Amino acid sequence: DIQMTQSPSSLSASVGDRVTITCRASQSINTYLNWYHQKPGKAPKLLIYAASSLQSGVPSRFSGSGSGTDFTLTISSLQPEDFATYYCQQSYSTPRTFGQGTKVEIK
Amino acid sequence: QVQLQESGPGLVKPSETLSLTCTVSRGSINSDSWSWIRQPPGKGLEWIGYIYYSGTTNYNPSLKSRVTISVDTSKNQFSLKLSSVTAADTAVYYCARERPTGYYYYVDVWGKGTTVTVSS
Repeated sequence: DIQMTQSPSSLSASVGDRVTITCRASQSINTYLNWYHQKPGKAPKLLIYAASSLQSGVPSRFSGSGSGTDFTLTISSLQPEDFATYYCQQSYSTPRTFGQGTKVEIK
Repeated sequence: QVQLQESGPGLVKPSETLSLTCTVSRGSINSDSWSWIRQPPGKGLEWIGYIYYSGTTNYNPSLKSRVTISVDTSKNQFSLKLSSVTAADTAVYYCARERPTGYYYYVDVWGKGTTVTVSS
């Protein structure tokens, strides 16, 4: 199985801050990397697919980059509705695997 | 927009079989692949497996001996069966659609999730 490791596990930030979350794969996954966020009690929501493609309807303050084993999700200006847990997921192979999550909290 | 709704018992006894159904509405099940993903309380996401509309399946090896995913295209539904459950199978279970854009696959539609507790 491909292991996905996110860092940090949690972070505190203020509205308007630039936030960066990192995801590392245990082997090269090209750009087969997706990002989701999840609010408490809700299902995850797709933000980014194919490492850098913005899902329809997702605000442009979200962006993704990377290829191979190292990937980044950036929120350019954190908004109140962005406080959530963020997960990366590889779709290079099965079983699909997720990172352990990064919880973004209000400072 | 396609919508998904999970249904099934919220409580299952240890050693019994967990059975859930996902109903697909506002769209057809006759394309893409259809997944089950679970999330234990306070933990991260675990992929259980998926089924193509044609019936081809792919399971997580960690659960493969206990999992069956099936599809009923006439009812626009797909189902999960997980046998010999233990407390470790207690989780929120999500059904979801995984779709491709070219060679890239991603889950773009999720059900709201259903909580299943394994307890006697």
